[in-house]
This record gives sequence, C-alpha cells and structure tokens, in this order.
Amino acid sequence: GQSLEQPSEVTAVEGAIVQINCTYQTSGFYGLSWYQQHDGGAPTFLSYNALDGLEETGRFSSFLSRSDSYGYLLLQELQMKDSASYFCAVRSDTGGFKTIFGAGTRLFVKA
Amino acid sequence: ETGVTQTPRHLVMGMTNKKSLKCEQHLGHNAMYWYKQSAKKPLELMFVYSLEERVENNSVPSRFSPECPNSSHLFLHLHTLQPEDSALYLCASSPRDSDHEQYFGPGTRLTVT
Repeated sequence: GQSLEQPSEVTAVEGAIVQINCTYQTSGFYGLSWYQQHDGGAPTFLSYNALDGLEETGRFSSFLSRSDSYGYLLLQELQMKDSASYFCAVRSDTGGFKTIFGAGTRLFVKA
Repeated sequence: ETGVTQTPRHLVMGMTNKKSLKCEQHLGHNAMYWYKQSAKKPLELMFVYSLEERVENNSVPSRFSPECPNSSHLFLHLHTLQPEDSALYLCASSPRDSDHEQYFGPGTRLTVT
C-alpha cells in the first residue's frame, strides 16, 4: 500500500528556519508535492519535486531524495503568516496517476 | 469568478435529508476531484473525474453520489448520511496530466445531525 509520515506539529520562532520532513512508502513513485492550508482556508499548492535535489521558490524550498523515500519542505525567514498546516503528497503511477496526501504538519510560528 | 468555487460553504442536514454540493472551476482544467477532510486525518480522495469520466472511486459509500456534467462543474449528491460523514468536503481541479498540482476550492463544511 501507500503511506506518508510527517510530524503532526512543529513550533518555531519568527525569523527562524524550519524544516518539515516527509517519508513515504509507495510503488510507482513519480513525485512529491507540498501544500499549505491556513485555518478555514483551502489547500494551496507550494511545490513539486520529481527529481532528486532542492527546488527553491522564494522563502520556501523543497527537497527530494528518491533513494531514501524522503523529502522536506524548508521555510526560511519565518513570518507569523506562515502558521498553517503543511501537507506532503505523493504522486504515483500504478496504472494511472494518483496523488495521496499525508496527514499534515501543523506549524506554529511564535513572536 | 476565478479559481475554484464551492457552494454552499456550510451545510447542516439531517440523516434523512437529500442535498447536493456544487463545485465550479474557472481554470480550464479537465480533471476534478472530491476530497473529505476530517480533523487530524489525511485528505481522503473520494472521486476523480478526468474529461468528465469517473476514473477513481475510492471505496466511497453509495450514500455519496458524484456527477460531472461537464469539465467545469462537479456535484456531490448526498442522501441518508451518517453523523460520521460530518467533515469539510473539498473540491479540486487540475490539468489532466498534472494531478500533482491541484487547485482547491474553499470547501463545504458539512454537519450531519
């Protein structure tokens, strides 16, 4: 079957750097996505990694290691508005593409 | 209207009621999705439509019935629901070959009494 693991909660201080890890088990792995969801809001797409390495988009970066079945989302220069839930999602091809979401990591940013 | 819209935003229904959730996307996408989001649980994929054809039904009970009349609209018909069906129901869309980048609507908060 498929499974994703990510920490349930992370707390960090404004201005700091935080890393949210995601490990996965799946067959037909194709790529790893990250989404952000504020309380009461819709999930919004942040990034997608299909190849190993680091992808940078402003203050957010996402990393993938296919050999380790592991990825992370790195948030730099944390701001209060970054307090939200962050979901990793695995895209796999098992006779058709399918994206499965993790349970999410709740990030609390403190002043 | 832009993006993905969902109506109603909030719905309270009894177990014997019949109601429908509506989703509309204005992004020109040709794949649409229904998800169930419960507290502290992963987003649960319920149904996937690609080019108006249902391509995924994740063992969802028959009291949930999807309908996709065209590539811009998606409905979820509800009947004889249970209290454990109370959750946030999210609709999303994407280009057919880019399901890794989905655009979500704001969701319908459903309470079954």
